Amino acid sequence: DTAVSQTPKYLVTQMGNDKSIKCEQNLGHDTMYWYKQDSKKFLKIMFSYNNKELIINETVPNRFSPKSPDKAHLNLHINSLELGDSAVYFCASSQGRADLEAFFGQGTRLTVV
Amino acid sequence: AQSVTQLGSHVSVSEGALVLLRCNYSSSVPPYLFWYVQYPNQGLQLLLKYTTGATLVKGINGFEAEFKKSETSFHLTKPSAHMSDAAEYFCAVTTGGSYIPTFGRGTSLIVHP
Repeated sequence: DTAVSQTPKYLVTQMGNDKSIKCEQNLGHDTMYWYKQDSKKFLKIMFSYNNKELIINETVPNRFSPKSPDKAHLNLHINSLELGDSAVYFCASSQGRADLEAFFGQGTRLTVV
Repeated sequence: AQSVTQLGSHVSVSEGALVLLRCNYSSSVPPYLFWYVQYPNQGLQLLLKYTTGATLVKGINGFEAEFKKSETSFHLTKPSAHMSDAAEYFCAVTTGGSYIPTFGRGTSLIVHP
């Protein structure tokens, strides 16, 4: 069983479209994250949820909206996709605060054309 | 505020040689430090972490790191590089009670036969 799973793994879409990436963790963790990794491998945290409550919302365009229906799921919806949104998006989870190990999903490679 | 600097975006070693990946951090409070590894087209995986206690930390795959408070460093080492160690390595810092880990920009380890 995959601990943190994301779907889809690859996503190619046109500018202006709306898309969603789903994330599920089966580790029983109460904190989940979304990270963006750019073409230079730089990792930037976007959002963090603890027990379905948003606790981190970094400087991210409001076209990006996370949704956590329950502790095991954190989905990312992106409206009006732009070329600059092309990146690899990683979901991660941890038990509690960030001082504990984070478990990462395999990533979703988003390409906007 | 916390920050991480990884010196050298690329490190190249021969198989069997010592691996040294450098990480310096900045934190106003005692830090928690992590090294993660990212293999091609995969998510990040924890190599090792320092929270409290012994400053020399051993991780998976023969890697270890030493927390040096006086030098604000947490360098990653491995006595003998293997071809399978070729990957991207990320140093990360957080603090107790924080939900926000900060990642370095990553160091790509290249291992030559």
